[in-house]
Amino acid sequence: GENVEQHPSTLSVQEGDSAVIKCTYSDSASNYFPWYKQELGKRPQLIIDIRSNVGEKKDQRIAVTLNKTAKHFSLHITETQPEDSAVYFCAASRKTGANNLFFGTGTRLTVIP
Amino acid sequence: GAVVSQHPSRVICKSGTSVKIECRSLDFQATTMFWYRQFPKQSLMLMATSNEGSKATYEQGVEKDKFLINHASLTLSTLTVTSAHPEDSSFYICSASLLQDTQYFGPGTRLTVL
Repeated sequence: GENVEQHPSTLSVQEGDSAVIKCTYSDSASNYFPWYKQELGKRPQLIIDIRSNVGEKKDQRIAVTLNKTAKHFSLHITETQPEDSAVYFCAASRKTGANNLFFGTGTRLTVIP
Repeated sequence: GAVVSQHPSRVICKSGTSVKIECRSLDFQATTMFWYRQFPKQSLMLMATSNEGSKATYEQGVEKDKFLINHASLTLSTLTVTSAHPEDSSFYICSASLLQDTQYFGPGTRLTVL
């Protein structure tokens, strides 16, 4: 099965700085990579996703890059703000008919004002 | 769009009782719904995948007789934790799939078994 690793587990940055979270996956057939933001006690919210036919995708301050050869993908947040503080999860899936998502272990991001 | 609701948000029950959790897709018909379990400060662990009108597919290690899943319609799936015990206390989250791979999550249900 798929194995998704995520680093770092915790990350603290000063407000305005950039934050980068990295994930690797094991199944070369995986072709969909979403990122979720989860605040304490709340639901995971999809913030950006990328499919394997695209190398990079950007949405305002958030960008995701994908390297299929190396089987890794990264989340980049620029100009961080205190409200970006949350736990971020990467995930990977491949089309098996069941769309199963395999999650990374999460990164707790703290943006220091 | 793509709103998923979950009920109840919190439930406290005595050991040995059963608890039912509902997951609804409010503004779309979900082809597939998923049930996850999340322990404090940990990741989401997939428990099972359910498709409307068919039996759920359980992940390895998840007892299907203990965690009963019913997917009666394209907008409703239920998870029943039978004969709950304290070790079943957890945060249970459902998700629904709108497009081929995108999943939208419900707000979660915090179950506490005394």
